[in-house]
Amino acid sequence: QKEVEQNSGPLSVPEGAIASLNCTYSDRGSQSFFWYRQYSGKSPELIMSIYSNGDKEDGRFTAQLNKASQYVSLLIRDSQPSDSATYLCAVNPSGTYKYIFGTGTRLKVLA
Amino acid sequence: EPEVTQTPSHQVTQMGQEVILRCVPISNHLYFYWYRQILGQKVEFLVSFYNNEISEKSEIFDDQFSVERPDGSNFTLKIRSTKLEDSAMYFCASIRRAGEKLFFGSGTQLSVL
Repeated sequence: QKEVEQNSGPLSVPEGAIASLNCTYSDRGSQSFFWYRQYSGKSPELIMSIYSNGDKEDGRFTAQLNKASQYVSLLIRDSQPSDSATYLCAVNPSGTYKYIFGTGTRLKVLA
Repeated sequence: EPEVTQTPSHQVTQMGQEVILRCVPISNHLYFYWYRQILGQKVEFLVSFYNNEISEKSEIFDDQFSVERPDGSNFTLKIRSTKLEDSAMYFCASIRRAGEKLFFGSGTQLSVL
């Protein structure tokens, strides 16, 4: 069974701080990794995609991938109350069409 | 920006009734998906569809479920005889190429009474 694991939280950080969200996956051959943000009652919206080992930055967001450790993370710099949401890690395992989602980490940014 | 559209946004039905959820994927996308999310739980894969056939399905996607692409634009999910446990948000999604980011529709909230 191919799995994606996340700490469900909530992760509480003060406004302006760095939020660090983590995800591990079981399928070693996975090639595509994604972070989505989901507000309550809404559909997931893509924040970042990452395909290669290392860091990828986009504005206040940095995704980090370590395939050897089967670990992907998302850093949010200068966290804002509007960043309060559930962050979903998604992986496309090798040899499949499906994308597997973790349970999500609920982030609360305190003003 | 192009988007995936889903209708209806809410659907209420009686147990045992058939429902059809509709989706219009992004026009140049080739792979289509249905996911569901029970309240408070994770986003779960149901089925993927490519080249006019099911490419992969989950254990959830049993004989009560079917998908169809009746024309060049619509992609539907049919639940033949709904159960209480089918109550969930159903998301349609699409991608242009394998491994690329999933684009989600806004979802259909299905309530089975």
